[in-house]
Amino acid sequence: EDKVVQSPLSLVVHEGDTVTLNCSYEVTNFRSLLWYKQEKKAPTFLFMLTSSGIEKKSGRLSSILDKKELFSILNITATQTGDSAVYLCAVGPRSGAGSYQLTFGKGTKLSVIP
Amino acid sequence: DGGITQSPKYLFRKEGQNVTLSCEQNLNHDAMYWYRQDPGQGLRLIYYSQIVNDFQKGDIAEGYSVSREKKESFPLTVTSAQKNPTAFYLCASESASQYGYTFGSGTRLTVV
Repeated sequence: EDKVVQSPLSLVVHEGDTVTLNCSYEVTNFRSLLWYKQEKKAPTFLFMLTSSGIEKKSGRLSSILDKKELFSILNITATQTGDSAVYLCAVGPRSGAGSYQLTFGKGTKLSVIP
Repeated sequence: DGGITQSPKYLFRKEGQNVTLSCEQNLNHDAMYWYRQDPGQGLRLIYYSQIVNDFQKGDIAEGYSVSREKKESFPLTVTSAQKNPTAFYLCASESASQYGYTFGSGTRLTVV
């Protein structure tokens, strides 16, 4: 059974702090790992990682994948209150699936306080 | 603009009633998915469909039903057989030519 484990499950930091969110996975047929940000409702896409060791970066957010150790990290520098959200990690495709299904972790709830 | 529309945003249901959640996309995506999200549980797959008139059960299909009569539409019915239906429901779609999902804004269902 495919598994995605995120840690920590929740995190409270002050504005300006740097945070690292973790995602480890065990899947049979890995092709890519995705990060989403969910503030209130619809998760929004952040990054897709397919190659090991190549950092993806967007502003203060960056992510990297280690396919040998089966994990990824999402870094957020100089956090702002607008970064408060649940961050979801997902891996695909799902074992035995005909389409490109994703297996999701439980998410990390990040709270940034002023 | 292309996207996925879920309706209603909030839904209240009395115990024993069936309710249908709507999901419509104009992205011309082939695959569509229904997920349930509970606090601390992440997203769990209910049903998915890769093509019109075909769909498969996910991990927690009991008490739910779907149809896929049109490419654009993938409604989810929560039946009275679902023991604990209060949750946040997310619909997603995926293009055959690119990875990753596009999500709708979700429907929060509360059983009263």
